[in-house]
Amino acid sequence: GAGVSQTPSNKVTEKGKYVELRCDPISGHTALYWYRQSLGQGPEFLIYFQGTGAADDSGLPNDRFFAVRPEGSVSTLKIQRTERGDSAVYLCASSLRDRDPNEQFFGPGTRLTVL
Amino acid sequence: AQKITQTQPGMFVQEKEAVTLDCTYDTSDQSYGLFWYKQPSSGEMIFLIYQGSYDEQNATEGRYSLNFQKARKSANLVISASQLGDSAMYFCAMREGPNFGNEKLTFGTGTRLTIIP
Repeated sequence: GAGVSQTPSNKVTEKGKYVELRCDPISGHTALYWYRQSLGQGPEFLIYFQGTGAADDSGLPNDRFFAVRPEGSVSTLKIQRTERGDSAVYLCASSLRDRDPNEQFFGPGTRLTVL
Repeated sequence: AQKITQTQPGMFVQEKEAVTLDCTYDTSDQSYGLFWYKQPSSGEMIFLIYQGSYDEQNATEGRYSLNFQKARKSANLVISASQLGDSAMYFCAMREGPNFGNEKLTFGTGTRLTIIP
């Protein structure tokens, strides 16, 4: 079946602009996660959705970052007033939450470059 | 303190040899889970193996096994009979708390494994 998909695969923007990154989870997966991976680092947790609600948004770095999942499926990560330090690969993952372990399936990521 | 520590930034291993990738962790929770993911140059994270804190047996999945030493807080990944396709970044990650509770994963900085023909 189809895996987690993310669009766009690459996004180049200018400092100060607004960007939206989209994640399509595996069909039927109730949990969705966003991570950010900077060069040479491991992924860093941003936010976790269970259904439509954000169950844990403790990883969002500041109020320029916001994410939604209005129908419990597709999610959009929104970044306002982008800064050069926001440049990274943004990874989305989803899980079914019906088994132990609760394995997270990752998408290919969106590479964001802020000039 | 770092929650996940991977002390080997890079490793070179001859094809068909076994390799151990180190991971130590830090948590005060009694219930937690440890994961290993592989990240090829394509960028996608691939789940390899999981160990729960209460699991008494070391986890195994095909050529992958996890050497879990709870008292030392280490969860090393062992890959037997390495193959050229094993060349990738490998990340150790931890979920603190019970499964289906706090779901976020904390990752280490990774080890880049290169298999030499």
